[in-house]
Amino acid sequence: RKEVEQDPGPFNVPEGATVAFNCTYSNSASQSFFWYRQDCRKEPKLLMSVYSSGNEDGRFTAQLNRASQYISLLIRDSKLSDSATYLCVVMDSSYKLIFGSGTRLLVRP
Amino acid sequence: EPEVTQTPSHQVTQMGQEVILRCVPISNHLYFYWYRQILGQKVEFLVSFYNNEISEKSEIFDDQFSVERPDGSNFTLKIRSTKLEDSAMYFCASSEVSGPGGYTFGSGTRLTVV
Repeated sequence: RKEVEQDPGPFNVPEGATVAFNCTYSNSASQSFFWYRQDCRKEPKLLMSVYSSGNEDGRFTAQLNRASQYISLLIRDSKLSDSATYLCVVMDSSYKLIFGSGTRLLVRP
Repeated sequence: EPEVTQTPSHQVTQMGQEVILRCVPISNHLYFYWYRQILGQKVEFLVSFYNNEISEKSEIFDDQFSVERPDGSNFTLKIRSTKLEDSAMYFCASSEVSGPGGYTFGSGTRLTVV
């Protein structure tokens, strides 16, 4: 089983749509959880950390279910500039980051 | 905003040659990392470095790879004898503390082995 698993997409949505990404992770000892955004051939950039209580940053909402080892990201009111690959990332007990393969989002006009 | 700086942005090298990828971490950061991403694949951990020694390395980080912090500001990744399969984006990252958050990635070096 992959350490961090994501649907590769692509998700092709119109501007203004709401889109949700899911991710599962295999190591129950994982410490921390993040969503990163990666544009083509660029470095990963932290979008937000993910907490069990759920957290929101503007149009972005992240949720963590430790019991199910499941992480989600919801993007509301999609913008063209949201087009990117969204990486589900887990920090393990030695503080290194384990990346999922990413979910590609295309927002069309 | 402080940045992690990587040079060069793109390096082309012949198979069997040695390459050194350079990184300047954020000045007050203590933990340093190299990750790589083969085209179309996920980002993978290579090595972490703290207090002038390797903290952890992955299976990818074999004897052909080495890291160094030669002068207190640069953090380098050396590949002794490059192979075609070493072609990838190499990202340096640093963090002030261990633990969640605080990772900053550099913009990467694209290594092409021909």
